Parts: sequence; structure tokens; C-alpha cells
Amino acid sequence: ETGVTQTPRHLVMGMTNKKSLKCEQHLGHNAMYWYKQSAKKPLELMFVYSLEERVENNSVPSRFSPECPNSSHLFLHLHTLQPEDSALYLCASSQDLPGGTEAFFGQGTRLTVV
Amino acid sequence: GENVEQHPSTLSVQEGDSAVIKCTYSDSASNYFPWYKQELGKGPQLIIDIRSNVGEKKDQRIAVTLNKTAKHFSLHITETQPEDSAVYFCAALSGGYQKVTFGTGTKLQVIP
Repeated sequence: ETGVTQTPRHLVMGMTNKKSLKCEQHLGHNAMYWYKQSAKKPLELMFVYSLEERVENNSVPSRFSPECPNSSHLFLHLHTLQPEDSALYLCASSQDLPGGTEAFFGQGTRLTVV
Repeated sequence: GENVEQHPSTLSVQEGDSAVIKCTYSDSASNYFPWYKQELGKGPQLIIDIRSNVGEKKDQRIAVTLNKTAKHFSLHITETQPEDSAVYFCAALSGGYQKVTFGTGTKLQVIP
């Protein structure tokens, strides 16, 4: 248990569906992240929230929409996804410091788009 | 931007042997180098990290070395055990994880 909880663990959705992934941390961290993990690829940073403000969007398609209502919760809203969006979606949190610190990852949501 | 290369992509060792995974980075501004272990069905977890002002760090059977001049760092696992089997990721960053670059991962298999 890392202190970062993601739900659901598994999700199968059609291309016309709308769903949301949820992430929760009670570690007191000031930054939260969404990553996409695909087979044989490095972890891809999708979104970063620091102090609840989005600080980076790495040109992620608009069919992915993040929301950070407070410092403990992070959502990823999904709509009209494509089969290539099937992957493991990981949430992480950290206490951002100049010298770098550990990131705590959730167990991920295994997403399958059919 | 930063570029991190990790080798090998797969590694099989006999139980009790040592395992070494190597990473190189390109951005001399990177100053924090964590290593993460990801077991099947779980998210990555930090196992050891090193900062740019240190050349080596050890924690029981795990050690990390950093060569800033050559821009490479390595993970060393001694006396490997079956429970060490997992995917290991290196990373390089300066400051927060919005600037992190992860390696592509090494799948380590420890054969009993």
C-alpha cells in the first residue's frame, strides 16, 4: 500500500462511452500526476497538477480531460477513446522539492477500449 | 529535453547471482536519479535513489552508482532472490516530476 489509491482497477469501455478514473492520496503531497504505461514504452507523463493548478499538458488528445478538485483527489475523464488508448493508467503524487523526491504510484487502472 | 536509455531490456540470473542494470542520461541539469520496481499488477515503487552530489549509495542488497561525468548510473542487486523478479525503471529529473524522464524498463527474472 503506497498511500495512493486508484479506482477502478480494471475498466472496459466502448469507443462511444464516457467514464472517469479516480485517484486519491492522503500523503499531504502538493503534486499529482497521470501517466500512461503501454507495453515496451517508457512511462508517458500525461498531466501534472501542482498545488491544484495544471502545470503541464504534454499534448495529450482532448479525449482525455483531467480534473483536480483539491490536493487529495485527481480524476481523468475519458470520452470517445480509441483502441490504441488501451493501457495501464497510473496516478502518482509527490512533494515537489528542488532536489527531487520520491513519487508514490497507485496500482493503476487497466483500461481496455473495445 | 532529457533522454534516458536503459539496458538491458531483459535480464535472467540464477538465484544468488548479481544483477546490474545501466542507464544513461543526456541532460547535465538532472540531479536526482530514482530507481523503481514494478511487480506484476502493481504500480512502480521506489527502491533506491541517488542525488548528483553522491557517487554511490547502498541499502542492504541494493546499490546505485552515479558517474556524473559520463552521465550514467547503475543499479546493482546482489544475492538475488526470486522475489526480486520484476520490471525495474530508472529515471532522471531535476526538481519535480513534471520534468522526469523514465527509462524503458528492464524485466529481471531470477531463476530459483
